[in-house]
Amino acid sequence: EVQLVESGGGLVQPGRSLKLSCVASGFTFNNYWMTWIRQAPGKGLEWVASITNTGGSTYYPDSVKGRFTISRDNAKSTLYLQMNSLRSEDTATYYCTRAEQLDYFDYWGQGVMVTVSS
Amino acid sequence: IMLTQSPATLSVTPGESISLSCRASQSISTNLHWYQQKPNESPRVLIKYASQSISGIPSRFSGSGSGTDFTLNINRVEPEDFSVYYCQQSNSWPFTFGSGTKLEIK
Repeated sequence: EVQLVESGGGLVQPGRSLKLSCVASGFTFNNYWMTWIRQAPGKGLEWVASITNTGGSTYYPDSVKGRFTISRDNAKSTLYLQMNSLRSEDTATYYCTRAEQLDYFDYWGQGVMVTVSS
Repeated sequence: IMLTQSPATLSVTPGESISLSCRASQSISTNLHWYQQKPNESPRVLIKYASQSISGIPSRFSGSGSGTDFTLNINRVEPEDFSVYYCQQSNSWPFTFGSGTKLEIK
C-alpha cells in the first residue's frame, strides 16, 4: 500500500523558515517524480514544487521561486520542502504527492498545516 | 495557462446525471486531469489525460474533451459524490488547477 506521511508543519512568524518532510512507503521511491501541492484555508489547489526521480532537476512557480527548495533523499524514501522568508499568503495545508508519468498526482499524503502569523 | 471551471456550484438531486466544465486559456491537447476532494480529505484523481479511467474509480465518472474544452460527466450521482471537483493541466509549467466546482445536494 502506497503511503505518504508529511510532518514538520506548525505556526511560524513571517520571515522565518520551516522544513517539511514526507516519508514514502509502498512503492519504489526513486522511480517517481514527487511534488508538493498546497491549499490555503477554504481555497483551491496550488502546485508548489516538483522534483525529478533522481533529484537532478526541480521546478517551481513564480510565487515560491527563490524562497522554497524541494529536495529528496532516495536512500531514506523521504521528500523535503525547505521554506524560507515565509509570508502570510503561504499559510496552507501542504500535500506531498506522487507524480505518475510526470503529469498527474495519483497518491496524496494527509497534508500538513503551515500557519504564518505573528 | 488558466483553467476556468463552471459552474462554481451545482445543486443536484441524487440520481441525476451531470456535466462539469473546465476551459483552458490555450490549447492543452488532452493533458487535463480531474480530481475529487471530499470535506476534510485529500484530493484523489478521477480521470487522467481528459478521458482515461483510473483503476478503482467507479465507472459512472467519465471525461471528454481536447484542446481547450473539457467535461467531467457523472452518470447518476450517488450521495458520496457530493464534494468539490478540480481540473489540472500538465501541458506546460507551471502546472495549474481550476478553481473548482462544488457539487451539493439540492
